[in-house]
Amino acid sequence: KNEVEQSPQNLTAQEGEFITINCSYSVGISALHWLQQHPGGGIVSLFMLSSGKKKHGRLIATINIQEKHSSLHITASHPRDSAVYICAVRNNTDKLIFGTGTRLQVFP
Amino acid sequence: EAQVTQNPRYLITVTGKKLTVTCSQNMNHEYMSWYRQDPGLGLRQIYYSMNVEVTDKGDVPEGYKVSRKEKRNFPLILESPSPNQTSLYFCASKQGVLNEKLFFGSGTQLSVL
Repeated sequence: KNEVEQSPQNLTAQEGEFITINCSYSVGISALHWLQQHPGGGIVSLFMLSSGKKKHGRLIATINIQEKHSSLHITASHPRDSAVYICAVRNNTDKLIFGTGTRLQVFP
Repeated sequence: EAQVTQNPRYLITVTGKKLTVTCSQNMNHEYMSWYRQDPGLGLRQIYYSMNVEVTDKGDVPEGYKVSRKEKRNFPLILESPSPNQTSLYFCASKQGVLNEKLFFGSGTQLSVL
């Protein structure tokens, strides 16, 4: 079993919909990252969380340390949000462990 | 502009022909690392460097070498590439060893025939 599991693996949505991507992990962590990978391949760091909630524009990331779970929400989704979203956790030995990603397609 | 620059963007080579993928950052970051990305496996760390002249193995170091002679550069060397090293490679950097945002290069798609 992977130490970092994301769900769903694939997600399609209509423009304007509220989207949630989930990440569960089984190891002790010091931080969790959400990354965005566009079809061209480039990776951008969206959030780094160690507790609570962060918001940037239409993106919201939350983490529940006790439940070992994080969610990434996208409000009022847009076709330009189409990308692969990757969850990564930094464990207690400072190693970064990646999930396999959630592929999101938003249609107009 | 703050960035991590990787070259080349695409590379096709043959088994056994030594190659180097370059990585350079202009943010004076201490920490640099290399990852490979394969379908269904996600990103996996190859090597990382916490500072100049300090490098360490990640999860999949076999068949790769790195060097960190200057803070800004962290090249990835494949002495004798094999087809199982066909992958998408990313270099990344961040300021220090603490929990900080990672900056990624644009990736290098390598095909070994």
